Amino acid sequence: ILNVEQSPQSLHVQEGDSTNFTCSFPSSNFYALHWYRWETAKSPEALFVMTLNGDEKKKGRISATLNTKEGYSYLYIKGSQPEDSATYLCALTGFQKLVFGTGTRLLVSP
Amino acid sequence: NAGVTQTPKFRVLKTGQSMTLLCAQDMNHEYMYWYRQDPGMGLRLIHYSVGEGTTAKGEVPDGYNVSRLKKQNFLLGLESAAPSQTSVYFCASKQGGDPFYSNQPQHFGDGTRLSIL
Repeated sequence: ILNVEQSPQSLHVQEGDSTNFTCSFPSSNFYALHWYRWETAKSPEALFVMTLNGDEKKKGRISATLNTKEGYSYLYIKGSQPEDSATYLCALTGFQKLVFGTGTRLLVSP
Repeated sequence: NAGVTQTPKFRVLKTGQSMTLLCAQDMNHEYMYWYRQDPGMGLRLIHYSVGEGTTAKGEVPDGYNVSRLKKQNFLLGLESAAPSQTSVYFCASKQGGDPFYSNQPQHFGDGTRLSIL
């Protein structure tokens, strides 16, 4: 059974703090890792897709890294803002399906 | 550009009733998916379609049927609703490549919240 685990489950930071969270997955049969941003009452929105070990992607204040050999990806948010409050989902493809983690719920207080 | 549109957004059913959820995408995507999202669990795939007229089972297909008569529409049916099917249902679509071995992201609708009493 493929397990995609995300930690922490939730995070509460103050505006301006930088934060990061983790997506862990089995390192074998990896094809691609997706990060989604999911605001309450909206649809998940794709942030990054990463395929290569050592990949780094950046979008504004948000960046992500990938280590396929050890089976993890980090998502970083620099200088968190209240509008960053959302659930961040990672999903792994490579097992004839796209397997989602349960997400990290981020709350940024002003 | 509407993207992926799901209707209805909310519905309450009684046990044993039937209903159909509609997903429509205007991006000419080949692949479409239905997921359910339950507390404490990741999105789980119910059924998917790799093209017009084709459907396939996902991880949790029991109790659901689907149809893809037109490329832009993917319908999810509950023939006899059960309380265990209370969930938030998400539709997604994707263009190109393999339906799963792919570096293309899926595009999601806003979800349908379904309660079965």
